[in-house]
Amino acid sequence: DTEVTQTPKHLVMGMTNKKSLKCEQHMGHRAMYWYKQKAKKPPELMFVYSYEKLSINESVPSRFSPECPNSSLLNLHLHALQPEDSALYLCASSWRGDSQETQYFGPGTRLLVL
Amino acid sequence: DAKTTQPTSMDCAEGRAANLPCNHSTISGNEYVYWYRQIHSQGPQYIIHGLKNNETNEMASLIITEDRKSSTLILPHATLRDTAVYYCIVSLQDSSASKIIFGSGTRLSIRP
Repeated sequence: DTEVTQTPKHLVMGMTNKKSLKCEQHMGHRAMYWYKQKAKKPPELMFVYSYEKLSINESVPSRFSPECPNSSLLNLHLHALQPEDSALYLCASSWRGDSQETQYFGPGTRLLVL
Repeated sequence: DAKTTQPTSMDCAEGRAANLPCNHSTISGNEYVYWYRQIHSQGPQYIIHGLKNNETNEMASLIITEDRKSSTLILPHATLRDTAVYYCIVSLQDSSASKIIFGSGTRLSIRP
């Protein structure tokens, strides 16, 4: 199984809502990643978890709150988002987080903030 | 961080080889070159990677110059399904995890 799954596929939320994005993998990977991708732009790294600990935060605003409850699961909690946060949110995983590893990406959650 | 430069777009006839160039002139000795592609509205898909030597797998070949300042991804027999944005990436280690910094990518169109 080389699949990374993400739910939901689509999400519409208001600026006062609280919602969560979920990412799951069962490949035994110990590194997991969140990326944000605006339309017609490349993905941008947001967070990296390595062995369930946050190891990289690319200066992401606090209205995005990641969580890694266990080695298979990665959440992104959203609160008080702005319309400019509308984007495709991609999750990825890799074996241990070394630079010579392949990252496996999920299909993404398309988020629209109204 | 090392960066990559790629042509914005290219096209190729179906059945022909597609050669996608990438410049990474500031690459460091321990940084790998990766290629991913992203088909419309899907997550990026790994294609191939290398450090110094040329590499080949079932999807593509990667040719890295001796000075490592540039590389070429070769899709030997392009099909319509290869239409996608192709990203050349330099992967680097940052503290306890790796980072991949996507460049702007090349939009490859395969024409029938």
